[in-house]
Amino acid sequence: DTAVSQTPKYLVTQMGNDKSIKCEQNLGHDTMYWYKQDSKKFLKIMFSYNNKELIINETVPNRFSPKSPDKAHLNLHINSLELGDSAVYFCASSQDRGRAGAFFGQGTRLTVV
Amino acid sequence: QQQVKQSPQSLIVQKGGIPIINCAYENTAFDYFPWYQQFPGKGPALLIAIRPDVSEKKEGRFTISFNKSAKQFSLHIMDSQPGDSATYFCAASKSSSASKIIFGSGTRLSIRP
Repeated sequence: DTAVSQTPKYLVTQMGNDKSIKCEQNLGHDTMYWYKQDSKKFLKIMFSYNNKELIINETVPNRFSPKSPDKAHLNLHINSLELGDSAVYFCASSQDRGRAGAFFGQGTRLTVV
Repeated sequence: QQQVKQSPQSLIVQKGGIPIINCAYENTAFDYFPWYQQFPGKGPALLIAIRPDVSEKKEGRFTISFNKSAKQFSLHIMDSQPGDSATYFCAASKSSSASKIIFGSGTRLSIRP
């Protein structure tokens, strides 16, 4: 019944590795997002997809590559992980390009060691 | 460039008090102003939102006051309870462009019993 679900919830990995985070929404929304929350709780948008099409890419390093196989899924792949990538990553979805608010997943806490 | 400024950073209120969290925005094109509530280990959850055609909106114990000329809006929590202790984020977005929700820096609210 979870509206926006992302996996895994925790991810601990070594520098230089490649990892993926998966996200699925069952709300029928047309827009999905990835947000990064740093240690100070600041939420910053990374990507936004509308109907599988990338519409926002907020100057994120190209080591981060989102993929949307269909409008219910938006995965995030990260290559060559760095210490500074440690954060909580949130997937979210909204209807009508966010004109009515977004629903967030529970987050993936990524720790790079 | 911080497009949505939020204050205070943290707030402690006795049970039954009325915490007030303030936000100011710069971009007059913003036309949707949501508030999100985040508990530890969870994703932000949409709490209440307002559009600039009204000056106040109430939902239960939560009220948004909106001052369009001052480009400010605030969240009031009536009869606050310990269960309201969370981090609160104001946000803003504009319908006319691609979906991009800009968040404030967050307020960590603690309600003392």
